[in-house]
Amino acid sequence: NAGVMQNPRHLVRRRGQEARLRCSPMKGHSHVYWYRQLPEEGLKFMVYLQKENIIDESGMPKERFSAEFPKEGPSILRIQQVVRGDSAAYFCASSQDEQFFGPGTRLTVL
Amino acid sequence: SQELEQSPQSLIVQEGKNLTINCTSSKTLYGLYWYKQKYGEGLIFLMMLQKGGEEKSHEKITAKLDEKKQQSSLHITASQPSHAGIYLCGAVTGTSYGKLTFGQGTILTVHP
Repeated sequence: NAGVMQNPRHLVRRRGQEARLRCSPMKGHSHVYWYRQLPEEGLKFMVYLQKENIIDESGMPKERFSAEFPKEGPSILRIQQVVRGDSAAYFCASSQDEQFFGPGTRLTVL
Repeated sequence: SQELEQSPQSLIVQEGKNLTINCTSSKTLYGLYWYKQKYGEGLIFLMMLQKGGEEKSHEKITAKLDEKKQQSSLHITASQPSHAGIYLCGAVTGTSYGKLTFGQGTILTVHP
């Protein structure tokens, strides 16, 4: 049973570009979560999704950030018009009961 | 103040020694996760505790949940260099069951 998959593992973007981060949950898991780990800060919750529904987006910045988990395919975290402050490790987790994390995508904004 | 406090922030031990990491919440705990993270990598699931007084063990790692004290502890027996890393506790403190709030982490170094 493959674990939570994330791609790309590393992503470099210039200011103003868009970043798309993908997450494939573990087989049989219908709950997906996105977290962000900023340098010198802890891991912070961003959004919780089930298939085609956003359940809790209380940790998402109000602008430029969006997330989806379509009926088919991976969950996507999209960051529009990236700024240097968006540079961080973005982790996806999935659960049916226990929550398992992916390896993360490290976003660097130049 | 932090919603979830871990102590100590860092720990250096000699191989073979026992150690304990604590995680204290300022809110009611509905569940508590322990993870291990190597620098630059993802989080490895260790244990999930849900009930007050619950205790789980895996190999040389034991975790307990004291619901009344809103606290959990992680104990490693006879530490090895392979135990080195960052230990994170993540708590479920609200009605959104999957939303985890994390502590700042405890950096563990084990000297051979």
